[in-house]
Amino acid sequence: DQQVKQNSPSLSVQEGRISILNCDYTNSMFDYFLWYKKYPAEGPTFLISISSIKDKNEDGRFTVFLNKSAKHLSLHIVPSQPGDSAVYFCAASGYGGSQGNLIFGKGTKLSVKP
Amino acid sequence: SQTIHQWPATLVQPVGSPLSLECTVEGTSNPNLYWYRQAAGRGLQLLFYSVGIGQISSEVPQNLSASRPQDRQFILSSKKLLLSDSGFYLCAWTQTRGLAFFGQGTRLTVV
Repeated sequence: DQQVKQNSPSLSVQEGRISILNCDYTNSMFDYFLWYKKYPAEGPTFLISISSIKDKNEDGRFTVFLNKSAKHLSLHIVPSQPGDSAVYFCAASGYGGSQGNLIFGKGTKLSVKP
Repeated sequence: SQTIHQWPATLVQPVGSPLSLECTVEGTSNPNLYWYRQAAGRGLQLLFYSVGIGQISSEVPQNLSASRPQDRQFILSSKKLLLSDSGFYLCAWTQTRGLAFFGQGTRLTVV
């Protein structure tokens, strides 16, 4: 059973436009959500996070939105740049014991075209 | 500052051979340590996690095992590799709940 779902395996966007990556989760115990960016043959790097007490967190060109009632979060990148081309993983964790472990989605490969 | 080292970067092993991947963390004490695997189309799958020396929890049944002989050392092993063990293996550590830092990964190809 997949607890964190990224239903779009790939996304292609023109440079300068907005990229929107989506993520859905099923476990209502999740209260902390993160986005990671991964280049080929490298480990993922942390991008941005949001806790369940917020519905929006912004860091430069990156904004994460959380809709708890829909169990949905999204990452917006504005404006998109070619260097943003990578695989983006959504991750979630809950509180206590193994719930604190990060559970990842399958990832969305973003291609930003010049 | 904290750093995480993982090696080797790439590995080609025959079916039935043993495996040992090592991960060490510097600059922190008593971290939570994790092994993830990225297989094609499968995302990042949590294999093992450890909250302390000698304490290992397995998330999925498999052909692999993990050990934590020292506070900042985490080892992924197998006695006999299968073709299905091929993938990209990532070690990670956390101190603050949820925020994980990853190593550079090991590309394992079982032939």
